[in-house]
Amino acid sequence: AQSVSQHNHHVILSEAASLELGCNYSYGGTVNLFWYVQYPGQHLQLLLKYFSGDPLVKGIKGFEAEFIKSKFSFNLRKPSVQWSDTAEYFCAVKDAGNMLTFGGGTRLMVKP
Amino acid sequence: NAGVTQTPKFQVLKTGQSMTLQCAQDMNHEYMSWYRQDPGMGLRLIHYSVGAGITDQGEVPNGYNVSRSTTEDFPLRLLSAAPSQTSVYFCASSPNRNQPQHFGDGTRLSIL
Repeated sequence: AQSVSQHNHHVILSEAASLELGCNYSYGGTVNLFWYVQYPGQHLQLLLKYFSGDPLVKGIKGFEAEFIKSKFSFNLRKPSVQWSDTAEYFCAVKDAGNMLTFGGGTRLMVKP
Repeated sequence: NAGVTQTPKFQVLKTGQSMTLQCAQDMNHEYMSWYRQDPGMGLRLIHYSVGAGITDQGEVPNGYNVSRSTTEDFPLRLLSAAPSQTSVYFCASSPNRNQPQHFGDGTRLSIL
């Protein structure tokens, strides 16, 4: 079965710091990759997705992620975080089957 | 355009009671799914459906039933609630199994 690992469970940053959240998955075939964000008290929203093509994908709110196939990774980055980025971030992987598998999530707190 | 609508938003049950969590979408999406969200475990797939009349089990299906009689509705049934089913439940839909999912606002369920 597919597994998705997010190694950082909690991250605390100051405003303007750079962010990188790790995501690794186990499936060796073709995958679709997603990052979702959940702001406090809200539902999940799509940040960005990778299906094929340029492995560096840009999403909303200045986020980007890089797909490195050889490392089975899809890390999320943002050059300069803001207080409003405080949220929980989920990596998700869709393999050739019907199921989308989520990582355990990373809680990001940005201090003003 | 309401998107994905979940009802109720909150519910408290006693052990052994049954209930149905409702999910409806107005986007004519074929793919619908139910997840439960527990701290540190991300979202885990309970059941999913690739179209009306078709349902299948996800990662954690035990204790839950689903049906998909129409494209719009995908109710989740707890036949005999257990404290281990205390969680936040999210319904999601997408045009097909590969596209990003749209999430509802969630149902917070407590079982005493």
